Amino acid sequence: DAMVIQNPRYQVTQFGKPVTLSCSQTLNHNVMYWYQQKSSQAPKLLFHYYDKDFNNEADTPDNFQSRRPNTSFCFLDIRSPGLGDAAMYLCATSQKTGAPYGQYFGPGTRLTVT
Amino acid sequence: QKEVEQNSGPLSVPEGAIASLNCTYSDRGSQSFFWYRQYSGKSPELIMSIYSNGDKEDGRFTAQLNKASQYVSLLIRDSQPSDSATYLCAVNGGGTSYGKLTFGQGTILTVHP
Repeated sequence: DAMVIQNPRYQVTQFGKPVTLSCSQTLNHNVMYWYQQKSSQAPKLLFHYYDKDFNNEADTPDNFQSRRPNTSFCFLDIRSPGLGDAAMYLCATSQKTGAPYGQYFGPGTRLTVT
Repeated sequence: QKEVEQNSGPLSVPEGAIASLNCTYSDRGSQSFFWYRQYSGKSPELIMSIYSNGDKEDGRFTAQLNKASQYVSLLIRDSQPSDSATYLCAVNGGGTSYGKLTFGQGTILTVHP
């Protein structure tokens, strides 16, 4: 089945210790997104890639970076995690941007910062 | 004013009833509208999309769109306990927001037996 895969599902890191989250997709979608979702809040867009074109949200902290080495994979790097970065990180894909293309989410990675 | 606003909830309905979830949006250039279901601790799941004024039905779900009133709704008929979740309204905006989804805060639905 075509799908969006995220690894690991649960990640524990120490304050200030870099961490990388990964996302892969078998949908062959052009667009990949990274969202941060905290408890009882809506998902917040961090970045998106249209093919290799990188788009950074204005309010995404510099502590967060992303890489997309090929169509199938995308990585989220958190250079120096703080306690406030504990959240669910969601990867999503869509065939293209705009109507009528919906976004399809992976299962998420729950990040804990100790 | 929030860009996408949902009825605050939580919403509690008995099994078998119709659950009505509402959403308003501020960007008149918005082109497409989505409803996601999110179970506690899980990721959002796309359940309905709508682009044109009127109703769109899929099984027990009906999405309704009124662009003049900037209003989207989701009706769930014959509600089941398994429908208990948070429902997120998402709007694909126009202009500088083209291609980006803006989510509402979500409405928590509980269907009780």
